[in-house]
Amino acid sequence: AQSVTQLGSHVSVSEGALVLLRCNYSSSVPPYLFWYVQYPNQGLQLLLKYTSAATLVKGINGFEAEFKKSETSFHLTKPSAHMSDAAEYFCAVSDNAGNMLTFGGGTRLMVKP
Amino acid sequence: DSGVTQTPKHLITATGQRVTLRCSPRSGDLSVYWYQQSLDQGLQFLIQYYNGEERAKGNILERFSAQQFPDLHSELNLSSLELGDSALYFCASSLAGVAHTDTQYFGPGTRLTVL
Repeated sequence: AQSVTQLGSHVSVSEGALVLLRCNYSSSVPPYLFWYVQYPNQGLQLLLKYTSAATLVKGINGFEAEFKKSETSFHLTKPSAHMSDAAEYFCAVSDNAGNMLTFGGGTRLMVKP
Repeated sequence: DSGVTQTPKHLITATGQRVTLRCSPRSGDLSVYWYQQSLDQGLQFLIQYYNGEERAKGNILERFSAQQFPDLHSELNLSSLELGDSALYFCASSLAGVAHTDTQYFGPGTRLTVL
């Protein structure tokens, strides 16, 4: 069964600093990986997804993630944090049949002025 | 706005009761997913429907059931409610119901509080 682990339930950065949110996956087959963002009192919104086309995936709002098979990682980065990036971020993996998403525990990103 | 609507937004009820949560998918989407988000369990997949038929099942309790109607809206029924069922319940929809080729669009959620 696939699973994802997000290291760090809370990450705090200063405005303008690099954002790095960590996600490691476990999968017996090539995985499909996703990053979602959840703003307060809202549903989840897809930031980006890896479906084996390219290892570096660019998403919305300046975020990108790199799939590294050797490290079983799919970390999310953004060069310069903005106050509006403060939210909870979820890494997810889909099952083999592509029906369901399994989410990590989430990382709450705080951005300090 | 994702285009997925969920009602009600908030629901407060007592233990032992039964409630129904409703979801209308985005126009054109055939698949509906239900997720539960709680502090204890995090975000968990419950069940998926595609064009009226159940397609996949996750960690859904036997006290919970769902269906998708011919107009493609879906309802999640929760019965014999327990305190631990208090959570945010999300509905998501996608075009064809394949997680890695589709995009799942999430609704704003229904917050259920069981007292």
